[in-house]
Amino acid sequence: GENVEQHPSTLSVQEGDSAVIKCTYSDSASNYFPWYKQELGKGPQLIIDIRSNVGEKKDQRIAVTLNKTAKHFSLHITETQPEDSAVYFCAASPDSNYQLIWGAGTKLIIKP
Amino acid sequence: NAGVTQTPKFRVLKTGQSMTLLCAQDMNHEYMYWYRQDPGMGLRLIHYSVGEGTTAKGEVPDGYNVSRLKKQNFLLGLESAAPSQTSVYFCASSRPLAGGYNEQFFGPGTRLTVL
Repeated sequence: GENVEQHPSTLSVQEGDSAVIKCTYSDSASNYFPWYKQELGKGPQLIIDIRSNVGEKKDQRIAVTLNKTAKHFSLHITETQPEDSAVYFCAASPDSNYQLIWGAGTKLIIKP
Repeated sequence: NAGVTQTPKFRVLKTGQSMTLLCAQDMNHEYMYWYRQDPGMGLRLIHYSVGEGTTAKGEVPDGYNVSRLKKQNFLLGLESAAPSQTSVYFCASSRPLAGGYNEQFFGPGTRLTVL
């Protein structure tokens, strides 16, 4: 079955700098790759996603890139702000459309 | 719209006790899920449901049972709680679309401690 690995587990960056979180997946049939943000004491919330027929997608300060050949995808956050501090999860959707396979999460810390 | 709600928010059980976690959604979603979240392990799927009256096992179903008698509700039961079931439990719902798109909406979580 699908397996998703996420790195790093913790990332500390200076406010205003960029942050990059990387994920790899194992099932070449996966076709949908979302990123979720989990703030303290809350459930995860979708922030951006990408489908397998697209290489890059941007939404203001966040972007996601996908390399299908290498089976990895990344989240990029530019001009980081204190409110970006959270745990970020990547996920992959195998050919069945009712399950998401999740990475272990990255705790992003923005230093003032 | 309240979205996805979960009750209770916190619970402490003794080993061997039973309890039921309730999840409710008001978005008319067909799909509902129960996850557990443990430090360093991300979200692991316990059980899921693709419609009223149907349930299926996820990645870590042992020790849990579920029921989906009404479309808007998804119940998670622990018949005989064990310390290994200490975790934060999240319910989610979704309406998958073509091409694998599947945005899941999460509840606020239930923090369960088993002594």
